[in-house]
Amino acid sequence: DGGITQSPKYLFRKEGQNVTLSCEQNLNHDAMYWYRQDPGQGLRLIYYSQIVNDFQKGDIAEGYSVSREKKESFPLTVTSAQKNPTAFYLCASSPGQGTASAFFGQGTRLTVV
Amino acid sequence: AQSVTQLDSHVSVSEGTPVLLRCNYSSSYSPSLFWYVQHPNKGLQLLLKYTSAATLVKGINGFEAEFKKSETSFHLTKPSAHMSDAAEYFCVVSGNTGFQKLVFGTGTRLLVSP
Repeated sequence: DGGITQSPKYLFRKEGQNVTLSCEQNLNHDAMYWYRQDPGQGLRLIYYSQIVNDFQKGDIAEGYSVSREKKESFPLTVTSAQKNPTAFYLCASSPGQGTASAFFGQGTRLTVV
Repeated sequence: AQSVTQLDSHVSVSEGTPVLLRCNYSSSYSPSLFWYVQHPNKGLQLLLKYTSAATLVKGINGFEAEFKKSETSFHLTKPSAHMSDAAEYFCVVSGNTGFQKLVFGTGTRLLVSP
């Protein structure tokens, strides 16, 4: 079955540590996205990538980094510079052009302890 | 620039009664519009989308939405609510051409009582 896989589902991090969230898709989509979700704020775009080896900052990129070395993979690193990292993180992919809809993973809940 | 406003943060209905979730959009050009649903601690699932074809769009699980350009609205409706419809709903706008950057509303939580 085609889809997007995010792992892990739950992640705990100590303050000052970097942590990497995994996102893999087998839909052959060019575009991939990372969103952060906080209660009452909807989804905010962190980074997006239109094609392999290229990515752009979204609306709240500070304290995050990404890479896009393979079409299927778009990992997100939450660095120690992110002051309030506890949130639900969603990865999505789409063909990237026109009117096609995006597909979402099941999310990773990150908690700083 | 594009934006979406979901007019209600919470909507409560009884099972078997109609559902109306309101969404207004702003776009400087012809938009694509989507409704997504999210159950607790899950990803988002596409309910339906409008892409400049028919203005009345039918989606999954009995939901539909009507694109009204004059009112810049894209409200989501369902004739009869089911308990399983309880979830968070997001209205989303993007452009029709070029790179597809999705802009999300803040969401509406639908509560369904027996």
